[in-house]
Amino acid sequence: KQEVTQIPAALSVPEGENLVLNCSFTDSAIYNLQWFRQDPGKGLTSLLLIQSSQREQTSGRLNASLDKSSGRSTLYIAASQPGDSATYLCAVLSGSARQLTFGSGTQLTVLP
Amino acid sequence: GAGVSQTPSNKVTEKGKYVELRCDPISGHTALYWYRQSLGQGPEFLIYFQGTGAADDSGLPNDRFFAVRPEGSVSTLKIQRTERGDSAVYLCASSAQSGGGPDTQYFGPGTRLTVL
Repeated sequence: KQEVTQIPAALSVPEGENLVLNCSFTDSAIYNLQWFRQDPGKGLTSLLLIQSSQREQTSGRLNASLDKSSGRSTLYIAASQPGDSATYLCAVLSGSARQLTFGSGTQLTVLP
Repeated sequence: GAGVSQTPSNKVTEKGKYVELRCDPISGHTALYWYRQSLGQGPEFLIYFQGTGAADDSGLPNDRFFAVRPEGSVSTLKIQRTERGDSAVYLCASSAQSGGGPDTQYFGPGTRLTVL
């Protein structure tokens, strides 16, 4: 059974800092890996999707990497802003049902 | 529609009651998923539809939970004899899966279910 772990569970940084969020998964037989953002009481917003054959994806100040063989991904956020405050969820797509397995998230607070 | 919609946005019910949660996927998306998110946790897979049929319902926690998608578009998640432990946000997602391979899942805003 696929399991996804995210570290740290919570993170607080001052505005302007660069930061890294970590994600690990137990079964490397994945189709892709996604990073989502979730604001309090809101749904999920997809930030980046990395196909299993890819090593990284970039969007603006966000960069996500994937090392499938070791079961790890990182989300790098450059020059963090208070508006980046949210919960960030990592999810892998795997299995015959092509379902997403999520981690518990990292709650990020960027202090002005 | 432009995105996945879910109704109601909030549902409060009493223990033992029956509830229905509705999901309208993105037009043309053949795959539809239900997930459940408990407080402080990531979403957990419940059931996957490909067209009208439930291709995988292995995530449904017990036989009080049932979902249908009779015309291959709108889906309804049905929960019988609700329990306080069913309180969670129920998320729906759809994807095109047009190329025969895995595709991006687009999520709705969720229905927050509270069982008193």
